[in-house]
Amino acid sequence: DTEVTQTPKHLVMGMTNKKSLKCEQHMGHRAMYWYKQKAKKPPELMFVYSYEKLSINESVPSRFSPECPNSSLLNLHLHALQPEDSALYLCASSPGLAEGGDTQYFGPGTRLTVL
Amino acid sequence: KNQVEQSPQSLIILEGKNCTLQCNYTVSPFSNLRWYKQDTGRGPVSLTIMTFSENTKSNGRYTATLDADTKQSSLHITASQLSDSASYICVVRGGRNDYKLSFGAGTTVTVRA
Repeated sequence: DTEVTQTPKHLVMGMTNKKSLKCEQHMGHRAMYWYKQKAKKPPELMFVYSYEKLSINESVPSRFSPECPNSSLLNLHLHALQPEDSALYLCASSPGLAEGGDTQYFGPGTRLTVL
Repeated sequence: KNQVEQSPQSLIILEGKNCTLQCNYTVSPFSNLRWYKQDTGRGPVSLTIMTFSENTKSNGRYTATLDADTKQSSLHITASQLSDSASYICVVRGGRNDYKLSFGAGTTVTVRA
């Protein structure tokens, strides 16, 4: 299984809502990533988890809260978002940070719209 | 700052024709370079990966080249198909933090019948 799955595919939420994005992989990868991608722009790294611990937070606002319940799952909790947070949110995984952070497998993404 | 520049920004080609996309990078030190294909609203899918010592690599109708001396790469699409319509992103690994990838802005390819 060389697949990263993400749910939901689409999400529409108001600025006062609380929602969560989910990401799952069963490749035994120990590093997982969240990216944000605006239209016609490259993905921007948000968070990196290594061995279920947050390794990198690229100065992301606190209204985005990541969580890694186990080595296969990665969540992104959303609260009090702004319309400018509307984007495609991509999850990725790799064998590990040291073993090859470049070999990142991307999920299909969640298209988020904040009203 | 490590940068990856791609050209052209977009192009339109007729089905069956060939095209070549360019990628220039300043990432140093250099580890490897990947070309990804990203369909609209979908996650990127890796097409090829090339390390410092590799000059060319093919994946079906996609052929990537790398000149590590001039820090240039190209992706050639042969006999284009409608399904090739997508954004093609050049991604370079290197720099101080190996986990962090440097993404180009992508080239949007539209194949018309």
